[in-house]
Amino acid sequence: GQSLEQPSEVTAVEGAIVQINCTYQTSGFYGLSWYQQHDGGAPTFLSYNALDGLEETGRFSSFLSRSDSYGYLLLQELQMKDSASYFCAVSFSGSARQLTFGSGTQLTVLP
Amino acid sequence: KAGVTQTPRYLIKTRGQQVTLSCSPISGHRSVSWYQQTPGQGLQFLFEYFSETQRNKGNFPGRFSGRQFSNSRSEMNVSTLELGDSALYLCASSASGTGNNEQFFGPGTRLTVL
Repeated sequence: GQSLEQPSEVTAVEGAIVQINCTYQTSGFYGLSWYQQHDGGAPTFLSYNALDGLEETGRFSSFLSRSDSYGYLLLQELQMKDSASYFCAVSFSGSARQLTFGSGTQLTVLP
Repeated sequence: KAGVTQTPRYLIKTRGQQVTLSCSPISGHRSVSWYQQTPGQGLQFLFEYFSETQRNKGNFPGRFSGRQFSNSRSEMNVSTLELGDSALYLCASSASGTGNNEQFFGPGTRLTVL
C-alpha cells in the first residue's frame, strides 16, 4: 500500500520562508504532487515532481528525492493568503491519475 | 475555459437512501476522478474514468459506483447511504498526456446523511 507523512501544522510570519516535508512509502512510485486547499475551497494544483531535483514556480518550489522517498514544498515571501492546508500526494505507475494524499499540513501565516 | 462543475453543491439525505452526484469536466479533458474528503480520513480516491471506462478504483465498498458519458461528464452513485458517507465529494478532471499530472478539482458536493 501507500502511506505519506507530513506535519499537521506549521506557523510562520509574513515574509518568511517555510518548508513542508513529506515522506512516503509506496511501491511503483510515479510522482509527487502538491495541492493547496483553502477552507471551504477545492484543492488547487501547485507542483509536480517525477524526477529528483527542484521545481520552481514563482514563490513556490518543490523538491523530490526518490532514493530517500522524500519531498518538500518551499514557500517563500509568505503572504496572509497562503494560510491554507497543503497536501502532498503520490501517484504510482499504472494509475498516474490515482492520487494518494497525505493528511495535510495546516499553514497559518501571522502578520 | 470554464472550470470543473459539480451539482448539486449541497445535499441532505437520510440513511438507506441513494444519491447521484454529477461532474462536468473542463472541456477537452477525458479523465475524471472522484475523491471523498472527510475530517477523519482525509482525501481518499474513489475511482477514475477515462473515455467511458473505469480505469482505477479505490478501496470503497460496492455501494459506491460511477459512470462516464461520451461527453466526458461523470456521475457517481452511492446506494444505501450510511451516516459515515457524510463527506465532501470532489471530482477532478485532467487532460491526457500532461507531463505534470495536474488535476483540476471542482468545488465539491457536500453530502450530509441524517
